[in-house]
Amino acid sequence: GEKVEQHESTLSVREGDSAVINCTYTDTASSYFPWYKQEAGKSLHFVIDIRSNVDRKQSQRLIVLLDKKAKRFSLHITATQPEDSAIYFCAASMRGSSGNKLIFGIGTLLSVKP
Amino acid sequence: DTTVKQNPRYKLARVGKPVNLICSQTMNHDTMYWYQKKPNQAPKLLLFYYDKILNREADTFEKFQSSRPNNSFCSLYIGSAGLEYSAMYLCASRRLGGRKEQYFGPGTRLTVL
Repeated sequence: GEKVEQHESTLSVREGDSAVINCTYTDTASSYFPWYKQEAGKSLHFVIDIRSNVDRKQSQRLIVLLDKKAKRFSLHITATQPEDSAIYFCAASMRGSSGNKLIFGIGTLLSVKP
Repeated sequence: DTTVKQNPRYKLARVGKPVNLICSQTMNHDTMYWYQKKPNQAPKLLLFYYDKILNREADTFEKFQSSRPNNSFCSLYIGSAGLEYSAMYLCASRRLGGRKEQYFGPGTRLTVL
């Protein structure tokens, strides 16, 4: 079946540095790529997304890049802060028999050390 | 209120017994989802309701049932729990046609013994 692979299971950076999380997907028809963040003891919540009609999107310190040819997308967090520490999940849309759904990656645990 | 609530937060069940998990939201979202999340695995979609229409994933079709008595509530039902059902169950909701983001609940951790 279709998959989303999240390449870094853990990532540790120093406060102020950048963090990059990479994902690849298999469904060439995927057109929507959201990122979700899960802080310790809390629910997943949406942070940023990108659609296939653009290759870059920025929201404050978050940048998402999309390379459709390589079927790869990435989340860049600039000037990291301790509150960025969390699990980050990437996802890609997939059209199933019952409609569009999201296929998630396994998550990347980001630790930002002071 | 943009929260999705789930009850109970923790559930202990015996093998072979039924399990019923509850999710609610007051955002008037037309679509509600149930995901299963096991350690070191990605959240996996089990089923979703669009309005009153239930859509179940093919590979889990016979294992899970659901009901949605009104727009705010959605349940996940396991008729006969097996050890493999031990997992975190995440409920999410969104409004189709609006922003694509899904709002997630805190999850119910189910342990089957």
